[in-house]
Amino acid sequence: QSALTQPASVSGSPGQSITISCTGTSSDVGGYNYVSWYQQHPGKAPKLMIYEVSNRPSGVPDRFSGSKSGNTASLTISGLQAEDEADYYCNSYSSSNMWVFGGGTKLTVL
Amino acid sequence: QVQLVESGGGVVQPGRSLRLSCAASGFTFSNHGMHWVRQAPGQGLEWVALIWYDGSKKFYADSVRGRFTISRDNSKNTLFVEMSSLRAEDTAVYYCARGTGNQFDSWGQGTLVTVSS
Repeated sequence: QSALTQPASVSGSPGQSITISCTGTSSDVGGYNYVSWYQQHPGKAPKLMIYEVSNRPSGVPDRFSGSKSGNTASLTISGLQAEDEADYYCNSYSSSNMWVFGGGTKLTVL
Repeated sequence: QVQLVESGGGVVQPGRSLRLSCAASGFTFSNHGMHWVRQAPGQGLEWVALIWYDGSKKFYADSVRGRFTISRDNSKNTLFVEMSSLRAEDTAVYYCARGTGNQFDSWGQGTLVTVSS
């Protein structure tokens, strides 16, 4: 299974909005509404931020939102804050009971 | 609260075996599928394996199928992965993660496996 495609890096200033894309195929992102997003700070475990394309777990700020169109999913963070600086990974369920991650995107808050 | 604690990592020679454990607490372990996810140094996340809540089904990434075996002991709230024929490219931090639906909603802190002679 091939990794999903994410931009290596994105950046934004505090208060701005950014969007991270995640492109797969019809066998993963496009075929199922099982896209999730994870935030990982250096040296820490990943944390679930979005599940099933657009749902937020309890405790995740509503500044984080997710969407999907065709084979591409997106994570948008509005009102950027310094603590949002981290690596972000998308994940999708894939056919044959497998899961595939994106390569990760490093978010820099300027 | 949900707690997952991995153990068993270390330095191992290529071709040898190693077993990792993940002790779970704070939730009904036997109600959840459990995953292993790994992260090579400086690299991204890679899904490794899933075991169903009752252990009846197991699924593996192509990169580890035939070499890794996932298992669980619901009486002891513990998840395992037995890794054999280890290669340098298996060097990574190994995380256990709770499955809820098709996402990983809780993660352990990880245990580092280094495959080196």
